[in-house]
Amino acid sequence: DIQMTQSPSSLSASVGDRVTITCRASQSISTYLNWYQQKPGKAPKLLIYAASSLQSGVPSRFSGSGSGTDFTLTISSLQPEDFASYYCQQSYSTPWTFGQGTKVEIK
Amino acid sequence: EVQLVQSGAEVKKPGESLKISCKGSGYSFSSYWIGWVRQMPGKGLEWMGIIYPGDSDTRYSPSFQGQVTISADKSISTAYLQWSSLKASDTAIYYCARGGSTVTYVPIDYWGQGTLVTVSS
Repeated sequence: DIQMTQSPSSLSASVGDRVTITCRASQSISTYLNWYQQKPGKAPKLLIYAASSLQSGVPSRFSGSGSGTDFTLTISSLQPEDFASYYCQQSYSTPWTFGQGTKVEIK
Repeated sequence: EVQLVQSGAEVKKPGESLKISCKGSGYSFSSYWIGWVRQMPGKGLEWMGIIYPGDSDTRYSPSFQGQVTISADKSISTAYLQWSSLKASDTAIYYCARGGSTVTYVPIDYWGQGTLVTVSS
């Protein structure tokens, strides 16, 4: 199985801050890396697919980059509605696997 | 509009069986892989397995192989997740989630609302 390691597991930030979350795969997954946002009590929501493609309707302050084994999700200017948990997921091969998640909290 | 609507919350005792459902609408149900994801209380997302309703091709995560059964009835656009003997450690929210027309390379673009399963004596 491909292991996905996210860092950090949590972070505290202020509105307007630039936030970066990283995800590392245990082997190359090309660009088959997706990012999801989950708010408490809600189902996850797709933000970024294929490492850098913005899902329709997602604000442009979200961006993704990377290929191979190292990937990054960036929020350019954190907004109040962005406080949530974020997960990376590889869709390169089954079993699909998720990172352990990053909780973004208010500083 | 694509929708995945899951069955309601369940409270069961250890050793009981259970089958929860996920009904798809607004798209060709037979043509997209549909999977199940577990989220234990306060924890992250775990991919359990996936099925292609068109031919019932099913893939399981090794962690869940033999522990659950995934099935689908394309005639009623519904996928299922079932247990034959529940354990307290099965307490979690279970999400169904739509993949693509291929099993790899595509993201999960739609999610069900989640089904809370509570197993307690």
